[in-house]
Amino acid sequence: GAVVSQHPSRVICKSGTSVKIECRSLDFQATTMFWYRQFPKQSLMLMATSNEGSKATYEQGVEKDKFLINHASLTLSTLTVTSAHPEDSSFYICSARVQSSYNEQFFGPGTRLTVL
Amino acid sequence: GENVEQHPSTLSVQEGDSAVIKCTYSDSASNYFPWYKQELGKRPQLIIDIRSNVGEKKDQRIAVTLNKTAKHFSLHITETQPEDSAVYFCAASSGGSNYKLTFGKGTLLTVNP
Repeated sequence: GAVVSQHPSRVICKSGTSVKIECRSLDFQATTMFWYRQFPKQSLMLMATSNEGSKATYEQGVEKDKFLINHASLTLSTLTVTSAHPEDSSFYICSARVQSSYNEQFFGPGTRLTVL
Repeated sequence: GENVEQHPSTLSVQEGDSAVIKCTYSDSASNYFPWYKQELGKRPQLIIDIRSNVGEKKDQRIAVTLNKTAKHFSLHITETQPEDSAVYFCAASSGGSNYKLTFGKGTLLTVNP
């Protein structure tokens, strides 16, 4: 149980375009999902906390107008990187908190974004 | 906010030896401490966690200890195997702010055959 999927796994886009990444909890309902960014050989940096039916809470320094988050249902959250630039190239990983557990988080497989 | 320090950043051991990774945290309200293993290009996988009402937890070759007074917790891997080679992250959560996790910077563990 507690499987999280993410799509796409890899995307290459041109500078200035927008990219949408989907995060789904497959076998449980997740009231809270988290979006992380991970640069090579670095730790996971939390970008935002996404709650179903409400606005996301962004960490300090993360531009909410650039990284649009929508959590329309208990099993789906999306991250849209708008007007992507090469410096946005990174590994984006989502996680979902199991509603009935204390606070375990299960991670998606990640999306490798490359902006040319 | 919470700050998690992790040491060492790299650790190399011989197969069969033990490995210990240590973390400290700053927020005394933190009450949940998971450890994740991440292989290159893959998702972090939860390998063990401990809650603040417990001082030690063991699962086969893996154990975690927690010292709430000193605000530090450690991961112990015994009888290491080459497949244990990966990056290990500790994290801490206070339960507030939707239970968000603050991660340490990671430890690259290499187990030499």
